[in-house]
Amino acid sequence: GQQLNQSPQSMFIQEGEDVSMNCTSSSIFNTWLWYKQEPGEGPVLLIALYKAGELTSNGRLTAQFGITRKDSFLNISASIPSDVGIYFCAGIQGAQKLVFGQGTRLTINP
Amino acid sequence: DTAVSQTPKYLVTQMGNDKSIKCEQNLGHDTMYWYKQDSKKFLKIMFSYNNKELIINETVPNRFSPKSPDKAHLNLHINSLELGDSAVYFCASSPLGTGKETQYFGPGTRLLVL
Repeated sequence: GQQLNQSPQSMFIQEGEDVSMNCTSSSIFNTWLWYKQEPGEGPVLLIALYKAGELTSNGRLTAQFGITRKDSFLNISASIPSDVGIYFCAGIQGAQKLVFGQGTRLTINP
Repeated sequence: DTAVSQTPKYLVTQMGNDKSIKCEQNLGHDTMYWYKQDSKKFLKIMFSYNNKELIINETVPNRFSPKSPDKAHLNLHINSLELGDSAVYFCASSPLGTGKETQYFGPGTRLLVL
């Protein structure tokens, strides 16, 4: 079935560093969402993108909806220990069907 | 004030048993979903219901039967559980007609089939 290619699969960084991850697809999506999942919890919505080219920030997080509507990136600036988790991109196609990327596991060394 | 809640959080059972997972949302949303997250953390949609009607049914074995008694509840019943059913099951909900679709997830039900 349809999948989003998310990269990198994992990141090991030092506290204070900036983080960048992205998702690409061979199909067009109308909406891109970025979620964070912590151990034992469900995915929590971070940022939602609805228009091609849209750039949206949420605190230290910034995400963009690619012009081609086939990609999106998420940046985290000045990482802190509580940023640890798995970050998922997700795209919405018709009938509210959410398709997820494979996730980026973020580990931060203090 | 929980938005999307699921019960139970953990479920350990024997192969061949029948079990149910319950989901409730108090967000007033029209659409609810079930997702399965495997051991590699990959999330895949199973079902979606809009106002108690089945909208999406991804190639899920018919041992899995969703039931929506009202638009705030979507339960998942699983018959004849198999080892491969072990996973985390997430319920989600979303509003419709806002032009800004998004989905909110519950805390998950961790199912272990022995």
